[in-house]
Amino acid sequence: NAGVTQTPKFRVLKTGQSMTLLCAQDMNHEYMYWYRQDPGMGLRLIHYSVGEGTTAKGEVPDGYNVSRLKKQNFLLGLESAAPSQTSVYFCASRLLGGTYEQYFGPGTRLTVT
Amino acid sequence: GESVGLHLPTLSVQEGDNSIINCAYSNSASDYFIWYKQESGKGPQFIIDIRSNMDKRQGQRVTVLLNKTVKHLSLQIAATQPGDSAVYFCAESHGSWGKLQFGAGTQVVVTP
Repeated sequence: NAGVTQTPKFRVLKTGQSMTLLCAQDMNHEYMYWYRQDPGMGLRLIHYSVGEGTTAKGEVPDGYNVSRLKKQNFLLGLESAAPSQTSVYFCASRLLGGTYEQYFGPGTRLTVT
Repeated sequence: GESVGLHLPTLSVQEGDNSIINCAYSNSASDYFIWYKQESGKGPQFIIDIRSNMDKRQGQRVTVLLNKTVKHLSLQIAATQPGDSAVYFCAESHGSWGKLQFGAGTQVVVTP
């Protein structure tokens, strides 16, 4: 199993450009999450999904949109990138039931200039 | 201009010694706690978890202690090794779809 994978690994955007980050998991997990991590800080939840076709806002959702059209994929979109969105983005997934352990991907480093 | 990032608390430990990493959590309703390890350039990796109906749980070389009275969590690493050098995060959850609230992290540096 590949676990949780993220595409791309690195990206540089100009202010105002748009992009989509892709997260994929092959563990048949129901729950998926998008976080951002800024220097010296913990992870902050952007959006999450409790199942295919459902999404919900997390702690810092402004400027981002998400979609979960397939159970294994969770997409994070930036419609008009801003320098404040420069960060490392992590995707995670979790199995329904059991513990709350989330499995994380390797991250996407995004720089907005 | 250049932005100044926050500096993580740092714990320097000599190889072979035991490490204790502390975490204060905020929500008295939290019923699940978890520790993650994050190496440079990688995603967080699960270490150990504990539910609120326990006060201690042991894993391989790691022990988590939970004190609900003072809302404090600690992670003990026995016989710390160079591979333990990383940032360690605690996180709490109180239901609500298993969302985790992360702390800021502690940088552990293992010296020879």
